[in-house]
Amino acid sequence: QVQLVESGGGVVQPGRSLRLSCAASGFTFSSYGIHWVRQAPGKGLEWVAVISYDGSNKDYADSVKGRFTISRDNSKNRLYLEMNSLRAEDTAMYYCAKDLSGHYTFDIWGQGTMVTVSS
Amino acid sequence: QSALTQPASVSGSPGQSITISCTGSSSDVGGYNYVSWYQQHPGKVPKLMIYEVSNRPSGISCRFSGSKSGNTASLTISGLQAEDEADYYCTSYTSSSTWVFGGGTKLTVL
Repeated sequence: QVQLVESGGGVVQPGRSLRLSCAASGFTFSSYGIHWVRQAPGKGLEWVAVISYDGSNKDYADSVKGRFTISRDNSKNRLYLEMNSLRAEDTAMYYCAKDLSGHYTFDIWGQGTMVTVSS
Repeated sequence: QSALTQPASVSGSPGQSITISCTGSSSDVGGYNYVSWYQQHPGKVPKLMIYEVSNRPSGISCRFSGSKSGNTASLTISGLQAEDEADYYCTSYTSSSTWVFGGGTKLTVL
């Protein structure tokens, strides 16, 4: 079945870096754009970034632009999120979500990985 | 990019209908027919309920419907059931080639 599994979360100090990973299976990974969406504890959803099917196009939310980098390795069916200069407000559950191609929405979500930025 | 505006909470009795609004601007909701709605139960992953304003993915009950007028989109749930109690989020594609979510609405089934 179609599945996305995130990993790499944990506790990190402010100003440090962390890399999240999202492993895809059950679909042709290289044919779909993939998003990162986050949710702070007890708060709403916030779109973070998107990467096109071939990695040629990337877009970011203003809140993470210049600090976060989205990338993918289609040979490994993996998506990444490199997070630098982390802040307390980056504390959240991070989900990867598959783009419903051509429909500008996210149809399949992973279970999420928790990132806590704290000293 | 400012978040879309949703009511913090709505409620209804079983069998009734409720509507959740989602207000944006001409740069997002009003400018594109790319509004989606997600249902999220506590501790669970969001689930796509409506996309492109009014389309239901396979397996989603016809009790869920969507519409849009100007800069405001709406999700209507008819024949409310206890299992519908959850948080609901709208999202829209934007003119900046990004996406923006609403703040979320907590639906209580009385």
